[in-house]
Amino acid sequence: DTAVSQTPKYLVTQMGNDKSIKCEQNLGHDTMYWYKQDSKKFLKIMFSYNNKELIINETVPNRFSPKSPDKAHLNLHINSLELGDSAVYFCASSLFLGGLPYGYTFGSGTRLTVV
Amino acid sequence: GIQVEQSPPDLILQEGANSTLRCNFSDSVNNLQWFHQNPWGQLINLFYIPSGTKQNGRLSATTVATERYSLLYISSSQTTDSGVYFCAVEGLTGGGNKLTFGTGTQLKVEL
Repeated sequence: DTAVSQTPKYLVTQMGNDKSIKCEQNLGHDTMYWYKQDSKKFLKIMFSYNNKELIINETVPNRFSPKSPDKAHLNLHINSLELGDSAVYFCASSLFLGGLPYGYTFGSGTRLTVV
Repeated sequence: GIQVEQSPPDLILQEGANSTLRCNFSDSVNNLQWFHQNPWGQLINLFYIPSGTKQNGRLSATTVATERYSLLYISSSQTTDSGVYFCAVEGLTGGGNKLTFGTGTQLKVEL
């Protein structure tokens, strides 16, 4: 199936731990993103990579570090997890053509709960 | 940055009814998309519509870029239409495909 796939789907961890979320797309897209959705369902972009290069880095704590080994993968590593990091994290991808995104596709999300 | 407001915030419909969801944005855009988040959390891209009108089955969307608003029409609503509808835009001065999302319209379609 062509898709954006994220793992894990659920992640429950204690404060202070370090965790990673993985994302892979097989759509042939060249741009990938991480979004955070809070408990009120507000979606906000965190990072964007185009062909493995970081192009958007919103005001996100340094504890969050994205890594893109190739244009089909974008992982998110979070250090020293805090209660406020609890949220649903979405990976997405698109094709960057003429300065505009096409085929914007989201993964199914990773629900992170920090206890 | 660009502001995106959606209305109404909540909407309850009887199955078969029609509805209109509105998205207002504060600046000129080169990208506007509508998404549906179903009750299981999956986000589905409905329309890419920075201007003009598009239709896909029972859904259609119109964006009047000069007046900075977009409308999403749902006709003959079904229970599977329930969920949250998001409008997302990228301003002309934005870069890197940065979409700014509105706060969404929570739709519930009842039998």
